[in-house]
Amino acid sequence: AQRVTQPEKLLSVFKGAPVELKCNYSYSGSPELFWYVQYSRQRLQLLLRHISRESIKGFTADLNKGETSFHLKKPFAQEEDSAMYYCALWAGTASKLTFGTGTRLQVTL
Amino acid sequence: EAGVTQFPSHSVIEKGQTVTLRCDPISGHDNLYWYRRVMGKEIKFLLHFVKESKQDESGMPNNRFLAERTGGTYSTLKVQPAELEDSGVYFCASSPRQGNTEAFFGQGTRLTVV
Repeated sequence: AQRVTQPEKLLSVFKGAPVELKCNYSYSGSPELFWYVQYSRQRLQLLLRHISRESIKGFTADLNKGETSFHLKKPFAQEEDSAMYYCALWAGTASKLTFGTGTRLQVTL
Repeated sequence: EAGVTQFPSHSVIEKGQTVTLRCDPISGHDNLYWYRRVMGKEIKFLLHFVKESKQDESGMPNNRFLAERTGGTYSTLKVQPAELEDSGVYFCASSPRQGNTEAFFGQGTRLTVV
């Protein structure tokens, strides 16, 4: 069965500092990985997906199959980045998302 | 374009009562999913509809939960009778077609059973 692990419940950084939100997964096949974000009082929304290989709001994430990781990174944190971030895996055979427990990012001045 | 809409946004009920949650997906989306986040835990899959058919209901916790999607449009999730452990946030998501992995989420329904 597939599993997603986000080891940090809370990550607190200063504005302008680099951010790395960790995500590891286990899945025997070829997964599709996503990062979803939920800002305060807003709905869960897709931030980025590994197959797009694009940067959204300054965030990037690279799928490392050797380390089974999909860490989310941003070189300079902004206050508006404060939110709950969920790593998720789509296992094609299962046709559903498997989520991690989420990491709350808190960016302070 | 209207997003996925869920009603109510909050519900507080007593143990043993019945609650029905509703989800209106994005128009034209065949796939509809229900997920749940219990306090402190991950968002977990409950079930998946393709149009009006249940494609996968492996995540439904027990037979107190009943989901329907009559006509392949909106969906309801009924909990009867509710128990304390059913408290959490229930999310609905939709996606346009089979194999499309981008899911659009509703704002969630926060259910509190007291």
